[in-house]
Amino acid sequence: DIQMTQSPSSLSASVGDRVTITCRASQSINIYLNWYQQKPEKAPKLLIYAASTLQSGVPSRFSGSGSGTEFTLTINSLQPDDFATYYCQHSYTPPGFGGGTKVEIK
Amino acid sequence: EVQLVESGGGLVQPGRSLRLSCVASGFTFDDYAMHWVRQAPGKGLEWVSGISWNSGDIGYADSVKGRFTISRDNAKNSLFLQMSSLRPEDTAFYYCAKDQQYSSTQNFDFWGQGTLVTVSS
Repeated sequence: DIQMTQSPSSLSASVGDRVTITCRASQSINIYLNWYQQKPEKAPKLLIYAASTLQSGVPSRFSGSGSGTEFTLTINSLQPDDFATYYCQHSYTPPGFGGGTKVEIK
Repeated sequence: EVQLVESGGGLVQPGRSLRLSCVASGFTFDDYAMHWVRQAPGKGLEWVSGISWNSGDIGYADSVKGRFTISRDNAKNSLFLQMSSLRPEDTAFYYCAKDQQYSSTQNFDFWGQGTLVTVSS
């Protein structure tokens, strides 16, 4: 199975900061990479699919890039609503998730 | 508005069975593949199983293969997960998730609120 490694596992940032989260795959996954946001006690929410396509309704401050084995989620101008845990996920079979990155308030 | 409502979770002894249900609304259920994804308390996400729109394509994680069975009833807009031979490591919130397409892209664009399964004696 393909393994996904996210870094960092947590970070502290301030409102207005630019935040970057990295996800690496154990083998090439082309652009079959999704990003989710999860807040405490809530279900995950799809932010980006196919590495860089913004899901409908997701603010444009979120962006994704990458292909092959290395991917990045960027949040421009972090907002109070963005403090959450972020997961990457590859959509090969079986699908697999990264360990998560918790974005906390500095 | 897409809604997915899971039910059927609870406390169950190791080795016993449990059946989870997910009722969908707000979209044409039989146009989409569906999945179960779980999350142990305080831990990360793990895909459990997926089923295509017509039940013709089904997949399972190795951790549940042979113990769990996914099914759907398109007439009732419902997804199911029959879990047997439950183990303590199956303890988790179980989420029903909608796929983006009728076949399985394995992109999960809407999720239910989850139902908690606790396996303990």
